[in-house]
Amino acid sequence: QKEVEQDPGPLSVPEGAIVSLNCTYSNSAFQYFMWYRQYSRKGPELLMYTYSSGNKEDGRFTAQVDKSSKYISLFIRDSQPSDSATYLCASSRPRDTGNQFYFGTGTSLTVIP
Amino acid sequence: EAGVAQSPRYKIIEKRQSVAFWCNPISGHATLYWYQQILGQGPKLLIQFQNNGVVDDSQLPKDRFSAERLKGVDSTLKIQPAKLEDSAVYLCASSSPRAGANEKLFFGSGTQLSVL
Repeated sequence: QKEVEQDPGPLSVPEGAIVSLNCTYSNSAFQYFMWYRQYSRKGPELLMYTYSSGNKEDGRFTAQVDKSSKYISLFIRDSQPSDSATYLCASSRPRDTGNQFYFGTGTSLTVIP
Repeated sequence: EAGVAQSPRYKIIEKRQSVAFWCNPISGHATLYWYQQILGQGPKLLIQFQNNGVVDDSQLPKDRFSAERLKGVDSTLKIQPAKLEDSAVYLCASSSPRAGANEKLFFGSGTQLSVL
C-alpha cells in the first residue's frame, strides 16, 4: 500500500465549476498535509499547507483534512483556465533530521473556457 | 527571496553515458532533497541531505547514482551509466530551516532528462 493514494484523473471541468480533488493516506504519524500545483514542464509549487484536521481557505482554494478517516481534499471554487495543471497531494511526518515527505501520483485538471 | 535553482533545464544523452545535475537551494535551508519524477507519477525521493550529511538514500540506485552536497549548500546528482528507464524529471527541493514543526518543501523547476 502506498503511503499516499490519489486518483490520477484526468479531470476536465467547464470554467466556473467547483473542483474537488481527493487523496487518502495510510500513516497515522503524518501531521502535515500539502497540496502542490505543477504546470507542464515546471516544478511543483506549494499551494496549500495545513496542520492536523480542519479546513484552511486561501482565496478560491480550500484544503480540508480529516485525520479520523485519513482523507485529504482540495476544493477550487470558480475554476479558471489558469488552474489547469497537475495537483499533487503530499503528507509529511516530522523528524529531527528533516521531515519525510510522501506524494500522491497527481491529478491532471483541465478547465475548459 | 530567490527560489531553488537547478541546471540544466534539459538534457538528452544516450544510454550508458553519464550526466550530472546541479542544485542551489534557498538560502538558509539546511535540508536538501533530490526527487525523481517519471511522467504521470508523483515525485519519488532519491536522497535527502541535512547540511553535509546524508539522512536518507534508501531509494537511491547506488550502483549508478551518486550525490554530494559540499559545504552544506550546493548539491550535484550524477548518473553513470544512464539507462533508458532513467528518463524522468529530476527535481531538487529544499525545506525551511526549522526541522519538524512547520517545515515546508520548495521545489526547483527540475531537469528533464531523456535517455535515448
